Amino acid sequence: ILNVEQSPQSLHVQEGDSTNFTCSFPSSNFYALHWYRWETAKSPEALFVMTLNGDEKKKGRISATLNTKEGYSYLYIKGSQPEDSATYLCAFTGNQFYFGTGTSLTVIP
Amino acid sequence: KAGVTQTPRYLIKTRGQQVTLSCSPISGHRSVSWYQQTPGQGLQFLFEYFSETQRNKGNFPGRFSGRQFSNSRSEMNVSTLELGDSALYLCASSLNGGRGTDTQYFGPGTRLTVL
Repeated sequence: ILNVEQSPQSLHVQEGDSTNFTCSFPSSNFYALHWYRWETAKSPEALFVMTLNGDEKKKGRISATLNTKEGYSYLYIKGSQPEDSATYLCAFTGNQFYFGTGTSLTVIP
Repeated sequence: KAGVTQTPRYLIKTRGQQVTLSCSPISGHRSVSWYQQTPGQGLQFLFEYFSETQRNKGNFPGRFSGRQFSNSRSEMNVSTLELGDSALYLCASSLNGGRGTDTQYFGPGTRLTVL
């Protein structure tokens, strides 16, 4: 069984705050690391896929970094807005997707 | 381009019954994966189908089965339902398979309640 861990489990921040969360995964047999955003009553939506150690990806106010040697990825949200409220999932891929349990973010107006 | 569709969206069954869920992938996608999500759990991988063949299977009992048709549409079947099967079932499609850099696109899910 392959463990992908995300922390924290949940987070409440004020609008305008910047925040970050962590995804930890096995450092062996690594193919890629995916981040998804899952809003309530919607489908999970792909944010980033990263493959190389040191990869950094950015999409608007959201960015992610990857460290494959130590097995972690960070997701950063700058200037959080209420519409950023969602569960953020990471997935490690080997021969299949292994998802973490997610970080639930609530942005308080 | 139409997204991934799943039917039905909600389902209520009783213990011992069986159920079939359907997933239509994005046009051109040949891989369909199925996941189960229960409260407090991450998405648990059930199986992946690619070009009508099961390519990968998660750690679920044999009561969970699936198939894929020549048009890439997929069905998932759960026989002899148990209370613990109550969950959100998501399917995801991708071009070549749920591995590596291939992004998976998710459907809205089927909420199954077993009474």
